[in-house]
Amino acid sequence: KQEVTQIPAALSVPEGENLVLNCSFTDSAIYNLQWFRQDPGKGLTSLLLIQSSQREQTSGRLNASLDKSSGRSTLYIAASQPGDSATYLCAVRRINDYKLSFGAGTTVTVRA
Amino acid sequence: GAGVSQSPRYKVAKRGQDVALRCDPISGHVSLFWYQQALGQGPEFLTYFQNEAQLDKSGLPSDRFFAERPEGSVSTLKIQRTQQEDSAVYLCASSLGGVSNQPQHFGDGTRLSIL
Repeated sequence: KQEVTQIPAALSVPEGENLVLNCSFTDSAIYNLQWFRQDPGKGLTSLLLIQSSQREQTSGRLNASLDKSSGRSTLYIAASQPGDSATYLCAVRRINDYKLSFGAGTTVTVRA
Repeated sequence: GAGVSQSPRYKVAKRGQDVALRCDPISGHVSLFWYQQALGQGPEFLTYFQNEAQLDKSGLPSDRFFAERPEGSVSTLKIQRTQQEDSAVYLCASSLGGVSNQPQHFGDGTRLSIL
C-alpha cells in the first residue's frame, strides 16, 4: 500500500517569506504526483501535476520538484501572501492504478 | 458545467437513515472517483467509474455503501443504515481520460453529519 507523509503538519510564516512543503511516499513506482490546495469547507483545487518522467513543474510563484527514486516531492511557494493560507495536499498515483493516495496535508498560515 | 458539482453541500441524517449523494462531473469526463475525507485527514479512495462501469470499489468500507453511474455521467453514492462513523466529507472527482496522466478535478464535497 502506498503511504504518503507530509511534514510539517502546520506552518506559520510572515508575509513575503518563501514556503517549503515536503511530501514523501513509500512506493516509487508512481505514474504521477499532484499537489492540491484546500480552503476551509471547500474541495480540492489542483495546483501542479508532475509526471513520473519529470523532475519539476512550475506555475507562477509555485514550483514543485519530484525525486522519484528517493520518494520525495517538494512544493515551493515564493514570496508568500496571506491569500496563500490554506491546507496543501500531495497525492500520488501508482502505476497501473486509478486512484490517488493522499497525505494528511500541511496547513499554512501566512501572517500579514 | 465548468466544474464538478456535488449536492447537497450539507446533509444531516439520523443514525439508521439512508442517504444519497449526487455528483455531476465535468462534461465529457470519462473517469469519476469518490473519496471520503475525515476531519484533519487527506481523502481516502472509495470507488472508481470509467464511463458507466464501476472498475474498482475496493475502498467502500462496508456493504452499506453503494455507488452507481448508470449513463456514464451523473453518479450517486448511497449509504444505507447510516452510522456515526459515516460522518465525513464525501468528495467526487472526475478526469478526462481512463488510465491516463490527466489531473483529477474535485467538487466542493458533501459534508455528511450523522446524529
